[in-house]
Amino acid sequence: RKEVEQDPGPFNVPEGATVAFNCTYSNSASQSFFWYRQDCRKEPKLLMSVYSSGNEDGRFTAQLNRASQYISLLIRDSKLSDSATYLCVVTSLTGGGNKLTFGTGTQLKVEL
Amino acid sequence: DVKVTQSSRYLVKRTGEKVFLECVQDMDHENMFWYRQDPGLGLRLIYFSYDVKMKEKGDIPEGYSVSREKKERFSLILESASTNQTSMYLCASIDTGTSYEQYFGPGTRLTVT
Repeated sequence: RKEVEQDPGPFNVPEGATVAFNCTYSNSASQSFFWYRQDCRKEPKLLMSVYSSGNEDGRFTAQLNRASQYISLLIRDSKLSDSATYLCVVTSLTGGGNKLTFGTGTQLKVEL
Repeated sequence: DVKVTQSSRYLVKRTGEKVFLECVQDMDHENMFWYRQDPGLGLRLIYFSYDVKMKEKGDIPEGYSVSREKKERFSLILESASTNQTSMYLCASIDTGTSYEQYFGPGTRLTVT
């Protein structure tokens, strides 16, 4: 079983739609959780951290469910510019450092 | 702004050649990482380093080695390049002080022929 699993998509949605992605992780000792965004042929960039209490940043809402070991990302009022691949990231402590494990990403295409 | 730079954007090498990929970050981060990214497989961790001269294997270390002689520089070495190492290689460093945000370099697209 992969450490971090995501539905690869693509999710094709019309502009203005609400879309949600889920991500499951297998290591119950995982510590921190993030959503990254990666545009085509670009490096990943942090979209938002995910906290146990849930957090919101404009049109984006992230939630963490530790009991079921999944995190989610909700995008409201989708824009064309939201088209990208969204990567779920989970951190764990190993040796002397922090290891980040990435999901394979979920591709979102927002259409007119 | 944090800057992570990689020595080359595109690289073409022959099978059997020794390849060096260099990564430099300017924010005094202790943790640095090397990933490769392939279609359908996502980002896979090759090696990471949490301090100078310290290294730890990631998920796919076979065929690779690393060097961290200075805090700002983390090198990935392909001792004898093979065609299955054709990939996009991404270097990153992490801010462990506050956000644990990982900052990526622009990537090196390596083709081994």
